[in-house]
Amino acid sequence: KAGVTQTPRYLIKTRGQQVTLSCSPISGHRSVSWYQQTPGQGLQFLFEYFSETQRNKGNFPGRFSGRQFSNSRSEMNVSTLELGDSALYLCASSTSGTPQEKLFFGSGTQLSVL
Amino acid sequence: GENVEQHPSTLSVQEGDSAVIKCTYSDSASNYFPWYKQELGKRPQLIIDIRSNVGEKKDQRIAVTLNKTAKHFSLHITETQPEDSAVYFCAATIGGSYIPTFGRGTSLIVHP
Repeated sequence: KAGVTQTPRYLIKTRGQQVTLSCSPISGHRSVSWYQQTPGQGLQFLFEYFSETQRNKGNFPGRFSGRQFSNSRSEMNVSTLELGDSALYLCASSTSGTPQEKLFFGSGTQLSVL
Repeated sequence: GENVEQHPSTLSVQEGDSAVIKCTYSDSASNYFPWYKQELGKRPQLIIDIRSNVGEKKDQRIAVTLNKTAKHFSLHITETQPEDSAVYFCAATIGGSYIPTFGRGTSLIVHP
């Protein structure tokens, strides 16, 4: 099986712009979660989608949004970018999203905001 | 919500030494504790996990121990090798939750 695929791998944007990141989960996986990774801050949870519905949400401002399509692919959008949004954005998928499941991560999208 | 503290943030050892990374959690309802390893420039991958009904779990050179009373768990790596160099993340999941809370990570450096 192909792994979790994230595109693009790198993005450079300027403040005020918006950006959309894409995540294709492992075939058959229905849960997709998103994380922001910055040096020293670990993995900060953004949100999780299951069967096209947002099931869980972290403590990020409303500028961060996402969605999931019927094929389980997910997108994350950040509007009105700020310098502090520069980070590695990781998505992870799991089979049915049952509690305590192993997460399979993508390689991430490195976002730089200038 | 759950809060996970991880120490140390950086750990430097000589090849062949043992390495120990410690995490504490706040919510006694947490009952699943995975560890992820992220090599430089690569994706995090699960290396070992433990559930609250078990006190210790081993897999070759790595082991995880759990002390539910004290609410802490640790990753032990014996006979470290340069390929063990990576960032290690602990996590805790509250029973019934789909989302683990991660620690801030430990950068392990193994010197040859």
